[in-house]
Amino acid sequence: ELKVEQNPLFLSMQEGKNYTIYCNYSTTSDRLYWYRQDPGKSLESLFVLLSNGAVKQEGRLMASLDTKARLSTLHITAAVHDLSATYFCAVDLGMEYGNKLVFGAGTILRVKS
Amino acid sequence: EAGVTQSPTHLIKTRGQQATLRCSPISGHTSVYWYQQALGLGLQFLLWYDEGEERNRGNFPPRFSGRQFPNYSSELNVNALELEDSALYLCASSIIDRAKGRNEQFFGPGTRLTVL
Repeated sequence: ELKVEQNPLFLSMQEGKNYTIYCNYSTTSDRLYWYRQDPGKSLESLFVLLSNGAVKQEGRLMASLDTKARLSTLHITAAVHDLSATYFCAVDLGMEYGNKLVFGAGTILRVKS
Repeated sequence: EAGVTQSPTHLIKTRGQQATLRCSPISGHTSVYWYQQALGLGLQFLLWYDEGEERNRGNFPPRFSGRQFPNYSSELNVNALELEDSALYLCASSIIDRAKGRNEQFFGPGTRLTVL
């Protein structure tokens, strides 16, 4: 069964610092998504990564996918308080496995002023 | 463009009762997914409906069921509610691009179910 592991699970960082969240998964897939969730809210789509070597950037966030290593990273540059949220990676197993997304446990990010 | 909508926002039930949750997908999306986000258990896949048919089911007991209507909206029913069914239930919709292998799922605001 597919396992998706995120680390760290909790990240407290100072404004202006850089950090990386890691998402490892245990089976072959070339489709991975990153979502953001604010407390009590739904999931907001951040990045769609559809191939090996895919890199996407939006503002202070950059996501990448290495399908050979079964690893995706979400890099935060010069963090600001507004980035405080929970971040999830989700692996898409595709039609042959019923189209479900398998989520990591989430990384709670707190950016301190 | 309107996003995925869900109703009700909150639902309080007692053990043994039945709960019905509703979801309307983004216009043009034919697939609807249900996920459970329970405290300590993370986000878990429940059901996938496409073109009115149940296509996949997660590891949940049969008292979790649902359906998809001709307008692609969906209903999740939970029978014989147990305390551990308390969770945020998220609905997502997608339009599957088989050529590009893309199936980005867009999530609704969720229904928070509390079982007392």
